Amino acid sequence: DAKTTQPTSMDCAEGRAANLPCNHSTISGNEYVYWYRQIHSQGPQYIIHGLKNNETNEMASLIITEDRKSSTLILPHATLRDTAVYYCIVRVPTGANNLFFGTGTRLTVIP
Amino acid sequence: GAVVSQHPSRVICKSGTSVKIECRSLDFQATTMFWYRQFPKKSLMLMATSNEGSKATYEQGVEKDKFLINHASLTLSTLTVTSAHPEDSSFYICSASLYMRSDYGYTFGSGTRLTVV
Repeated sequence: DAKTTQPTSMDCAEGRAANLPCNHSTISGNEYVYWYRQIHSQGPQYIIHGLKNNETNEMASLIITEDRKSSTLILPHATLRDTAVYYCIVRVPTGANNLFFGTGTRLTVIP
Repeated sequence: GAVVSQHPSRVICKSGTSVKIECRSLDFQATTMFWYRQFPKKSLMLMATSNEGSKATYEQGVEKDKFLINHASLTLSTLTVTSAHPEDSSFYICSASLYMRSDYGYTFGSGTRLTVV
């Protein structure tokens, strides 16, 4: 699986959009971009995933650049409960291979 | 759907004793489960891959005789920390593969915080 690079930490004001970047310059054509988050002392939670088109669900939006070398997770209206570590993972969604967690981005939503 | 229940959420044990952590898939069958370990302020590190009906595959550096994994059914995998020591204190997390459902990929348990005193 391709490696990813994320900023160590970010702050966001409550109610504002949180934009979390991820670089995955070595991503291969059949690898998807997945985002998970981990709230303190809990297991990771799936947020969203995509291949090359932008995706949106009830939690977030995922913007993938045309060359697929980077992506941005957008939380449109951040709340205090969105404070967590956000992990960007790229992988081929076939088989039962594990998820490799990098260091992630620690997002702190500020009141 | 696709819920993984992990139990206990928190356990304190004495040095030298063994602790069993259970990971159950509640509404689906999980032929493959994964066990992770997480130290404070660190990322998740894969310990082993648990396959139903066969031996687990351990990552390099993980002692298989210390961290016993059993995956005897399609809905249950267990991790037993044998002869626990204070350095085994950590946050242990299981996950189940939903490789037949590419929309989720994986679902995780809520984690077990083990403290060895």
